[in-house]
Amino acid sequence: DAKTTQPTSMDCAEGRAANLPCNHSTISGNEYVYWYRQIHSQGPQYIIHGLKNNETNEMASLIITEDRKSSTLILPHATLRDTAVYYCIVRTYQGGSEKLVFGKGTKLTVNP
Amino acid sequence: GAVVSQHPSWVICKSGTSVKIECRSLDFQATTMFWYRQFPKQSLMLMATSNEGSKATYEQGVEKDKFLINHASLTLSTLTVTSAHPEDSSFYICSARDARGWEKGYTFGSGTRLTVV
Repeated sequence: DAKTTQPTSMDCAEGRAANLPCNHSTISGNEYVYWYRQIHSQGPQYIIHGLKNNETNEMASLIITEDRKSSTLILPHATLRDTAVYYCIVRTYQGGSEKLVFGKGTKLTVNP
Repeated sequence: GAVVSQHPSWVICKSGTSVKIECRSLDFQATTMFWYRQFPKQSLMLMATSNEGSKATYEQGVEKDKFLINHASLTLSTLTVTSAHPEDSSFYICSARDARGWEKGYTFGSGTRLTVV
């Protein structure tokens, strides 16, 4: 089962920052948080990942709370092409195997 | 950046036949590959994890004899749907992790839409 919960949907105005929250209250100390997005009928696209520290790359920023029980993905200047389903995933180990188990994700709609 | 090629992108087959889907890491070696299935308007469901040179590990409820996974090299994994039926129609997606370490992330293929008629 997925270890994350996200809002089902969110809206954002084009040009504004999109802040997507994720709860992962049962995360373990060595488990990373990954963010992917999926545009309709395509494979998921990697956005960013992190363990404890906040991370930033050319696509987004990832803010992880100090207790690591939640995180926020920030798209600084959303465009119409950022409309997609965004998945927050905790990479886990089960039975000696690593896994990326997807939750239901957040459908982000960027409006003109 | 890392690229995973998945082929075919779509396939239509008759009920009772088998279909093979290929997943290749083009510019990196992948010791671990993952296979997912996605039904319309649903999230990705992990089917199995394959490690190069060993048997795949299947998730609970996934029939290993129906969904045959082979990971014979560090750049290729295949999923064969045997004796396909209409209920197997779905979007199948593979993912690969760079052998140099999980810090490199997981790269997904573009998916294969299977329609069984």
